[in-house]
Amino acid sequence: AQKVTQAQTEISVVEKEDVTLDCVYETRDTTYYLFWYKQPPSGELVFLIRRNSFDEQNEISGRYSWNFQKSTSSFNFTITASQVVDSAVYFCALRGTGGFKTIFGAGTRLFVKA
Amino acid sequence: DVKVTQSSRYLVKRTGEKVFLECVQDMDHENMFWYRQDPGLGLRLIYFSYDVKMKEKGDIPEGYSVSREKKERFSLILESASTNQTSMYLCASSPPGLANGELFFGEGSRLTVL
Repeated sequence: AQKVTQAQTEISVVEKEDVTLDCVYETRDTTYYLFWYKQPPSGELVFLIRRNSFDEQNEISGRYSWNFQKSTSSFNFTITASQVVDSAVYFCALRGTGGFKTIFGAGTRLFVKA
Repeated sequence: DVKVTQSSRYLVKRTGEKVFLECVQDMDHENMFWYRQDPGLGLRLIYFSYDVKMKEKGDIPEGYSVSREKKERFSLILESASTNQTSMYLCASSPPGLANGELFFGEGSRLTVL
């Protein structure tokens, strides 16, 4: 069975702090894809990044960075110098071979205070 | 700007009523999905469709049905609404043939069943 665990339900930080959102996944597939989505207060989930199981390179996009480690089945997301606009619910997700079903974690609600 | 549009942002219905949630996408995507989002549970897949008139059950299909008569439109139907179906419903679409393709989401429909 496939599973995504986001153990942090809520995180509260002060603006300019760095914050890491944890994601641990389970799958028996050898080929799979990992995603992060952001859900701002407006409600619409927005795609942030995807990673396939064969690409363990970390990625940085502006203040966002992602650390994929197959050895620990983790795909963690770090926001550097957080801003109030980063306040949202963040979801980690997994799609295995076979393609249609995307499994989501429970989400982590991030509050960034000014 | 590409979009997934859900017909109603907020609905209030009574127990036993038949409820239709409509979703339209303008990206010519083959795949469409209905998820429900509940606190602490993340997003759970109700039904998906990979082609017109085709549908597949997701993880929690009980109490729901779907209709896909046209490529751009995917409807979720609650035949007899119950209070435990009070939730946020999210529609999504994705292009065909890309197992790593991200999902494009609508803004969600928050349903309250009294």
